[in-house]
Amino acid sequence: GDSVTQMEGPVTLSEEAFLTINCTYTATGYPSLFWYVQYPGEGLQLLLKATKADDKGSNKGFEATYRKETTSFHLEKGSVQVSDSAVYFCALSGMNYGGSQGNLIFGKGTKLSVKP
Amino acid sequence: DGGITQSPKYLFRKEGQNVTLSCEQNLNHDAMYWYRQDPGQGLRLIYYSQIVNDFQKGDIAEGYSVSREKKESFPLTVTSAQKNPTAFYLCATGDRGSNQPQHFGDGTRLSIL
Repeated sequence: GDSVTQMEGPVTLSEEAFLTINCTYTATGYPSLFWYVQYPGEGLQLLLKATKADDKGSNKGFEATYRKETTSFHLEKGSVQVSDSAVYFCALSGMNYGGSQGNLIFGKGTKLSVKP
Repeated sequence: DGGITQSPKYLFRKEGQNVTLSCEQNLNHDAMYWYRQDPGQGLRLIYYSQIVNDFQKGDIAEGYSVSREKKESFPLTVTSAQKNPTAFYLCATGDRGSNQPQHFGDGTRLSIL
């Protein structure tokens, strides 16, 4: 079945460092891909998305490119801030999951801590 | 997300008790979802509903029940059959279609007394 694998954390960086969080997926068809962010004690917020191959999603300095050839959707940011400390989830919208469009399959999450 | 209200924020359950978590939305989304989040395990789908008066089991439906009598509401009941209910529960909504993101509430944290 469809699945998402993302790098395990925690990831600890100094402020202004470069961030990469790896995400790879297995899916039939052509899923949409998403990155969500979760701050402590809160729900998930959509960070960015890409709906087809070679699309680049971007928001708040974060970017991710939908790479069909490598089945990847790695999250990157050029210069992280303390306020970026959170848990990041990669997800795909599986056409076949549960027999219904729109259901999301999540990776296990990567905790990012940014030190001043 | 301001359009999705989960209540209460914290809930305590006694042994043998059923408890109901509320999820209300004003986003006019057809689909609603319940997820369970445990540390280090990401989100796991409990139940989902694509339309009023219809719902489907997710990966971990045992010990849970839902109803979808109104488009705006999708309450989740954690029954006494759920032996390990301590977790963070998240409700989400979405438009139908695979390229549409889901929108999440702020969650309910359930603990056992």
